Amino acid sequence: GDSVTQMEGPVTLSEEAFLTINCTYTATGYPSLFWYVQYPGEGLQLLLKATKADDKGSNKGFEATYRKETTSFHLEKGSVQVSDSAVYFCALSGEGFKTIFGAGTRLFVKA
Amino acid sequence: ETGVTQTPRHLVMGMTNKKSLKCEQHLGHNAMYWYKQSAKKPLELMFVYSLEERVENNSVPSRFSPECPNSSHLFLHLHTLQPEDSALYLCASSQYSLPGTYRMNTEAFFGQGTRLTVV
Repeated sequence: GDSVTQMEGPVTLSEEAFLTINCTYTATGYPSLFWYVQYPGEGLQLLLKATKADDKGSNKGFEATYRKETTSFHLEKGSVQVSDSAVYFCALSGEGFKTIFGAGTRLFVKA
Repeated sequence: ETGVTQTPRHLVMGMTNKKSLKCEQHLGHNAMYWYKQSAKKPLELMFVYSLEERVENNSVPSRFSPECPNSSHLFLHLHTLQPEDSALYLCASSQYSLPGTYRMNTEAFFGQGTRLTVV
């Protein structure tokens, strides 16, 4: 069945460092791919999405490119801030109405 | 501001109590979900209601009982829970295309969750 694998955390960075959180997926057909963010005490919020191969999703300085050849959707940001500290979830939506989530990666950004 | 509203935000209940969690979505979506989020565990899909069809995770204990009276409201009825059921319960909604068309599900929109503590 469909699945999502993302790098285990926590990831600890200093402010203004470069961020990469790896995500790979297994799916039949042509899934849509998402990154969600969860701040402490809150639900998940959609951060960005891509619906077809080679699409790049971007929002708030974060980017991810849908790579079908490597079945990946890595999240990147050029300069993180303390306010980016949160848990990040990679997800896919394929056939059917289930969204499959990765285990989540916790990011700590130090001032 | 979220288009998915969950109440209550926090709930403490004893193991013999009966309580219900409520979720309401104002987005016109046709699918609603309950997820369980425990510390150090992946998000667990508990139930899906889509196009009046219910799909459940067979590993969810019967002490959790969902109800979906219409496409905008979703409940999770709780009965004789255990301490290990303490978790954040998240409701979500999405728009699912009808069978026969190109199958597509939009991104899920989440509520802020109910933090449940079973004592």
